[in-house]
Amino acid sequence: KQEVTQIPAALSVPEGENLVLNCSFTDSAIYNLQWFRQDPGKGLTSLLLIQSSQREQTSGRLNASLDKSSGRSTLYIAASQPGDSATYLCAVSKNPGGGNKLTFGTGTQLKVEL
Amino acid sequence: DVKVTQSSRYLVKRTGEKVFLECVQDMDHENMFWYRQDPGLGLRLIYFSYDVKMKEKGDIPEGYSVSREKKERFSLILESASTNQTSMYLCASSHGARGGYTFGSGTRLTVV
Repeated sequence: KQEVTQIPAALSVPEGENLVLNCSFTDSAIYNLQWFRQDPGKGLTSLLLIQSSQREQTSGRLNASLDKSSGRSTLYIAASQPGDSATYLCAVSKNPGGGNKLTFGTGTQLKVEL
Repeated sequence: DVKVTQSSRYLVKRTGEKVFLECVQDMDHENMFWYRQDPGLGLRLIYFSYDVKMKEKGDIPEGYSVSREKKERFSLILESASTNQTSMYLCASSHGARGGYTFGSGTRLTVV
């Protein structure tokens, strides 16, 4: 059974810092990996989607990498801002016979302080 | 802008009521999903559907059923609501075997 772990569970940084969030998964036979952001009481917003054949994806100040063989992904946030404060979730996808079901990590709660 | 729309942001229902949570997507996605999210337990898959009238049980289907009569709509049904079904419910959709997920804004259900 796929297990997804995110470290750290919580992180507090001063504004302007570059930071890295980590995600690891136990079964490397994935179709893709997706990073999400969730604000309190809200739904999930997709940040980046990396297919299994890709090594990284970039969007603005965000860069996500994927090392499928070692079961790891990182989300790099450059020049963090208070508006980046949220919970960040990674999820991996597998398609055992129909539909691409995601398995989620438990998230990293990020606080960026002024 | 592509969207997954959940009909209610907040719902309060009484124990024993039949509850319908509606989800509509405008992206022509084949796959649709219902998750619940609870503190300390993360997101757990209740049911999913990869085609009209098709449904598959997720990890925690007990106490729930679903309906998908049209491609764009996926309904979650609580046949007889109980207090342990108080939770945040999230609907999502995706395209094909490798498409990314798009989530709705969630429904916070309280059963009293």
